[in-house]
Amino acid sequence: AQSVSQHNHHVILSEAASLELGCNYSYGGTVNLFWYVQYPGQHLQLLLKYFSGDPLVKGIKGFEAEFIKSKFSFNLRKPSVQWSDTAEYFCAVEYGNKLVFGAGTILRVKS
Amino acid sequence: DTGVSQDPRHKITKRGQNVTFRCDPISEHNRLYWYRQTLGQGPEFLTYFQNEAQLEKSRLLSDRFSAERPKGSFSTLEIQRTEQGDSAMYLCASSQQGLSPMRKLFFGSGTQLSVL
Repeated sequence: AQSVSQHNHHVILSEAASLELGCNYSYGGTVNLFWYVQYPGQHLQLLLKYFSGDPLVKGIKGFEAEFIKSKFSFNLRKPSVQWSDTAEYFCAVEYGNKLVFGAGTILRVKS
Repeated sequence: DTGVSQDPRHKITKRGQNVTFRCDPISEHNRLYWYRQTLGQGPEFLTYFQNEAQLEKSRLLSDRFSAERPKGSFSTLEIQRTEQGDSAMYLCASSQQGLSPMRKLFFGSGTQLSVL
């Protein structure tokens, strides 16, 4: 079965710091990969996705992610975080007719 | 696009009671998914419908759980004889069938169930 691992459950950063959240998946075949974000009190929203092509994917709000097939990784990055980026971030992989999610990383940005 | 609506937002019940949640997907979406999320975990797939047909159920969905989508529009998720372990956020999502329905999957805000 497909599984997704997110390396850190809690991350605390100061504003303007750089962010990298790790994500590894277990499936060795062709994968579609996603990052979702859940702001406090809001529903899950798609941040970015990778289906094919350029392994460096750009999403909303200045986020990007890099797909490295040899490492089964899809890490999320942002050069300079803002207080408004405080949220929980979920990595997910498409498996069959569903998404398989990681456990999530709670990011807190200190102003 | 009015989004995916879930009702109620919160439900507190006593162990052994039955509960039912409702999900209204985005109107033109023919796929509807139910997920469950517990504290410290990501959403876990429970089941999905294409129109009114329930096409897949997770092993997480015990016999006490039943989901329906009778007219291919809204869906209900019923839990019978609730247990404390059922306490979780129940999420609904919808998408349009196509090359990859996951390309545009929209989530509702969820129903938070607390079983006392």
